[in-house]
Amino acid sequence: GAGVSQTPSNKVTEKGKYVELRCDPISGHTALYWYRQSLGQGPEFLIYFQGTGAADDSGLPNDRFFAVRPEGSVSTLKIQRTERGDSAVYLCASGRGQGTDTQYFGPGTRLTVL
Amino acid sequence: GIQVEQSPPDLILQEGANSTLRCNFSDSVNNLQWFHQNPWGQLINLFYIPSGTKQNGRLSATTVATERYSLLYISSSQTTDSGVYFCAVERNFGNEKLTFGTGTRLTIIP
Repeated sequence: GAGVSQTPSNKVTEKGKYVELRCDPISGHTALYWYRQSLGQGPEFLIYFQGTGAADDSGLPNDRFFAVRPEGSVSTLKIQRTERGDSAVYLCASGRGQGTDTQYFGPGTRLTVL
Repeated sequence: GIQVEQSPPDLILQEGANSTLRCNFSDSVNNLQWFHQNPWGQLINLFYIPSGTKQNGRLSATTVATERYSLLYISSSQTTDSGVYFCAVERNFGNEKLTFGTGTRLTIIP
């Protein structure tokens, strides 16, 4: 597609539930990143994929968070046993993966945990 | 980790005014990007500028890597320039993740 797309745009869930957030990167981009943005803050890094593998998952806050990219394109961020503190905008970005490179961001998924 | 500071935190200007936004960073970088986050939350790429100077219409940016700062210039401001401007850097050998500053919130008054 023309840009990075994310679904859903909004997700409201109850504490303790499981959620999946989807990212569809720009076609041909091998690098994919997940970030999280809390109100009034800049985005914070969660995980980086190069192709199918997670090259850096040092930003995942705990083991309730997991992400996959099985075919090297679409990625899913999975959050188990959601907590109210998980409420934030989850942003996905993609890049050509040729060393240091411009990252292009999607519109984000606003997650609200009640 | 690398520290990224942006100033000023807030800026209110009349339409037509010029502005300069600053980004200081604490370590050597091999990637620096400026973004505009519009009122709907979309992060829009403005510049990829790890060093040197670039211009795009009313916007220009300069990064002095040796002194660890970057400047974003906006000339003849329009109301559509309102939003939050973020600087983000990737530390040298930093495995490609971007570290964002806390942003400058720009409000342009008609």
